[in-house]
Amino acid sequence: DQQVKQNSPSLSVQEGRISILNCDYTNSMFDYFLWYKKYPAEGPTFLISISSIKDKNEDGRFTVFLNKSAKHLSLHIVPSQPGDSAVYFCAASNRGLGDDKIIFGKGTRLHILP
Amino acid sequence: NAGVTQTPKFRVLKTGQSMTLLCAQDMNHEYMYWYRQDPGMGLRLIHYSVGEGTTAKGEVPDGYNVSRLKKQNFLLGLESAAPSQTSVYFCASRAGGFGELFFGEGSRLTVL
Repeated sequence: DQQVKQNSPSLSVQEGRISILNCDYTNSMFDYFLWYKKYPAEGPTFLISISSIKDKNEDGRFTVFLNKSAKHLSLHIVPSQPGDSAVYFCAASNRGLGDDKIIFGKGTRLHILP
Repeated sequence: NAGVTQTPKFRVLKTGQSMTLLCAQDMNHEYMYWYRQDPGMGLRLIHYSVGEGTTAKGEVPDGYNVSRLKKQNFLLGLESAAPSQTSVYFCASRAGGFGELFFGEGSRLTVL
């Protein structure tokens, strides 16, 4: 059973506009969430994270929103740039119970259009 | 700054052969992880370790074994490779339970 779901395999956004990537999770014990970006033939790189005690975390052009009641988080990229074209992975873990697994979703491929 | 280094980067095996993937990190991280990435499947956790001498199963552990004899190294072994193990394997490490994961560049394994 998939615990972290990214239901959109791909997304196309015009350069300069906002990109919104979505992620849903089923395990209510998850309390820490991360977003990773991956270019072809490279390892994933960390973008931004959020703890369940917050509902928003911002870092430059990247903002992550967490809605615990809906078990939903989203990554906003504003403004979108050509270098943002990549696969984005949502990940979750349960730090509170000392579960050290980090579970990833299937990813969303973002295409930034000129 | 090497970070996380995976060896080898590419390997082709025949069904039934064995091999070991080596992951080395120079950041003195306690936690290390092995993931596999397959088309349409995202990153799936195979095994992980929270310290030297410890290992634990992830989401898809069958067919793999791991060892963490030294803090800086995490080995992933395939005793009898199968075509279903054709994948890109990523190793990652982090300082502790509250840190971000740092990934290696990946190892592409093909089993014929």
